[in-house]
Amino acid sequence: AQSVTQLDSQVPVFEEAPVELRCNYSSSVSVYLFWYVQYPNQGLQLLLKYLSGSTLVKGINGFEAEFNKSQTSFHLRKPSVHISDTAEYFCAVRRSGGSYIPTFGRGTSLIVHP
Amino acid sequence: GAGVSQTPSNKVTEKGKYVELRCDPISGHTALYWYRQSLGQGPEFLIYFQGTGAADDSGLPNDRFFAVRPEGSVSTLKIQRTERGDSAVYLCASSLSGTGNSPLHFGNGTRLTVT
Repeated sequence: AQSVTQLDSQVPVFEEAPVELRCNYSSSVSVYLFWYVQYPNQGLQLLLKYLSGSTLVKGINGFEAEFNKSQTSFHLRKPSVHISDTAEYFCAVRRSGGSYIPTFGRGTSLIVHP
Repeated sequence: GAGVSQTPSNKVTEKGKYVELRCDPISGHTALYWYRQSLGQGPEFLIYFQGTGAADDSGLPNDRFFAVRPEGSVSTLKIQRTERGDSAVYLCASSLSGTGNSPLHFGNGTRLTVT
């Protein structure tokens, strides 16, 4: 079985500041990793994904994440946030190969202040 | 193109009643997932369909919950004898295939409130 830990339930930052949202996972086998964003009253949208290859993955809206196998982490970063980035962010892990169900973390609420 | 559509967007029902939640996936997507999201929590897996069959229903909490996808497209999540603890946002997602590298596309969810 796999699991995802998002230690920070809330991350407040000021506009134009950098931000990092942390995600650690646990799995005994190879995994795919995903970050989703959920704006108020909307469904989850895919931000970025790591399947294989380069450990630095770039996504939409200027976000990027780095896969670190030794630390079993997949932290999400953005060098300069906007008010519009205020949302809930979810990290998800899925076993590679075959049809496996994605497991989601509990989410991190990013709050961008002017 | 059209995304995943869920109806109704909101549903208020009384304890003990029966409810049906509908999901219309992206055309051509063979895999369909139901998740439940409680306040302050991440999505919790309920059931996964590959085509018409339920490939994994291990997340259904008890036998009051049931889901169907008779023609391999639209799916309905059915909850009998609803309880206040069933109140949550029910999310539906579809993907092109059920393999791990195929990302999920989510609907906006149905907010179920059991009074």
